[in-house]
Parts: sequence; structure tokens; C-alpha cells
Amino acid sequence: KAGVTQTPRYLIKTRGQQVTLSCSPISGHRSVSWYQQTPGQGLQFLFEYFSETQRNKGNFPGRFSGRQFSNSRSEMNVSTLELGDSALYLCASTGLGGEETQYFGPGTRLLVL
Amino acid sequence: EDQVTQSPEALRLQEGESSSLNCSYTVSGLRGLFWYRQDPGKGPEFLFTLYSAGEEKEKERLKATLTKKESFLHITAPKPEDSATYLCAVPGGSQGNLIFGKGTKLSVKP
Repeated sequence: KAGVTQTPRYLIKTRGQQVTLSCSPISGHRSVSWYQQTPGQGLQFLFEYFSETQRNKGNFPGRFSGRQFSNSRSEMNVSTLELGDSALYLCASTGLGGEETQYFGPGTRLLVL
Repeated sequence: EDQVTQSPEALRLQEGESSSLNCSYTVSGLRGLFWYRQDPGKGPEFLFTLYSAGEEKEKERLKATLTKKESFLHITAPKPEDSATYLCAVPGGSQGNLIFGKGTKLSVKP
């Protein structure tokens, strides 16, 4: 079974630009969660999507947004990039049947200059 | 406030030197405790889920245990390839999203 895939793997942007990251969950998984990982703050929850609806949201500004498509693929968007947005962005998918284990993708490394 | 604290922040071991990593948590109504391993530049890799106090799970040189307040990840006779950051997490917050500890960075020297 293929794992979670994320594209692109690396991105370099400048302040003020916007960026879109993509995540394809494990086949059959309908829940996708996004996290931001930085050395100082560790892994922080951004939001979760289930069946195309945002189910949970973390404590991030409105510049961070996401969506999920009917095939469960998800995208997250960051507008008006700031230097502090430089981080590893991770996506995780969760299966059905009450199992809550989240399986992570390799991440997208974003550098904002 | 739901919280996960891991200790130590970093641990350096000689190959074969067994030790334990600690994860203490504060959450109302534990719905599972998750251990992950993360290599530099990669996403976390799932290791174990524990659901109730007294539960233990093993995988190769790793054994995870759970009490009502904390979990331990025991590493027996570690090898250099066990070097990684080990993360623990619990579902918490107002809507059950995973709350992660900052991790323990383990280095095993040959």
C-alpha cells in the first residue's frame, strides 16, 4: 500500500508571496491533518479535513488555509508569506474504523527569504 | 491545558547501552498515546499506540509502556541505526487533535 505523498518536497519563496502544498493520503483514508514543524515549537497542528470539510483547526492565523477534494487529496495554502513561516510542513492521514493512528508523509520543506 | 512533556531532550548512548525515554502527559480522558520515530528531514514514522495503563508493546529493540501519567520507551542494546528523534503524542485540545511533545533526540555511538 502506498504511503502518504507530499509535493513539492522543497520550496523557496520570498516574503509576501503565497504557496500551495499538496498531500495525497493513503488509499482509503478520508482524514487528512496538517502540521507545521519548527525547531523551536516542534510539531504544531494546523487543521484537519474529513470528507471535504474542515473538522478541526489549530491556532494559526487566517493566512493559513486548506481544502480537501472528493478523492481525499488535500492542499494547504499560505498567503503573504513571512520569514517565520519557514518550516517543515507535514501531512498525515488517518484510516476508518475508530483507529486514530496518523501516518505521516515525508513533508515539504519551505524556506522563506 | 493538555500538555505532553518529553525527557531528556537529548540522549547519547554507546552501542549496547540500554536506556529509557520518558513522556509525561496531562490530558482529560486519554484516548491513546502514540510513539513516533523521526529521522532528519523526514516525516515521523509510526511506532506504537498504547491505550490503557499497564499496556506494553514491543518492536525489535524498543518497548513502550504506559501508566496513568506517563509512558516510557525502553531501548535495549541500541544500535547506531536507532539514532533518531522519538516523539510522543496524545489526542487532546478542544477537538481531539494530536498534541506532540518536543521529542528526545537519541544518538547511539558505535
